[in-house]
Amino acid sequence: KAGVTQTPRYLIKTRGQQVTLSCSPISGHRSVSWYQQTPGQGLQFLFEYFSETQRNKGNFPGRFSGRQFSNSRSEMNVSTLELGDSALYLCASSLAGDRINEQFFGPGTRLTVL
Amino acid sequence: GENVEQHPSTLSVQEGDSAVIKCTYSDSASNYFPWYKQELGKGPQLIIDIRSNVGEKKDQRIAVTLNKTAKHFSLHITETQPEDSAVYFCAARNYQLIWGAGTKLIIKP
Repeated sequence: KAGVTQTPRYLIKTRGQQVTLSCSPISGHRSVSWYQQTPGQGLQFLFEYFSETQRNKGNFPGRFSGRQFSNSRSEMNVSTLELGDSALYLCASSLAGDRINEQFFGPGTRLTVL
Repeated sequence: GENVEQHPSTLSVQEGDSAVIKCTYSDSASNYFPWYKQELGKGPQLIIDIRSNVGEKKDQRIAVTLNKTAKHFSLHITETQPEDSAVYFCAARNYQLIWGAGTKLIIKP
């Protein structure tokens, strides 16, 4: 079974631009969560989608948004990029999205904002 | 808000020795405590987890202990090997996973 895939793996943008990142969960998984990882802050939860609905949201500004499609694939968008948005963005999928299920992570998208 | 504190931030041990990483959580309703290992260039991978109705769990050289009263849990790695070198994250979950800041484990040959 294929793992979680994220595209692109690397991205360089300039301040003010917007970016869209994509995540394909493991086949059969319906829950997708997004995290921002920076050296000083660890993993910060962005949002979780389950069956195309946002179920949880972290403490990030409205510039960060996401969506999930009927095939469970998910995208996240960051508008008006800032230097501080440079980070590794991780996507994780789980089977049913309940409180206990293990999350499987993709390799991440490394975003650099210049 | 809810948080998870993880210590130490860096741990260097001699190959063959044991390593212990400790986490403290604030949300007393947390009921699931996973530990993830992240190797360079990869996403985190679950190595062991424990539920709130269990005090200890072992899997070969890895064990996790949970003290619900004190709200802390620990990861124990025995007989460390070079491939154990990585960043380890603890997390606690009630409605969502709250993550510790990570521990960089260095195994010295």
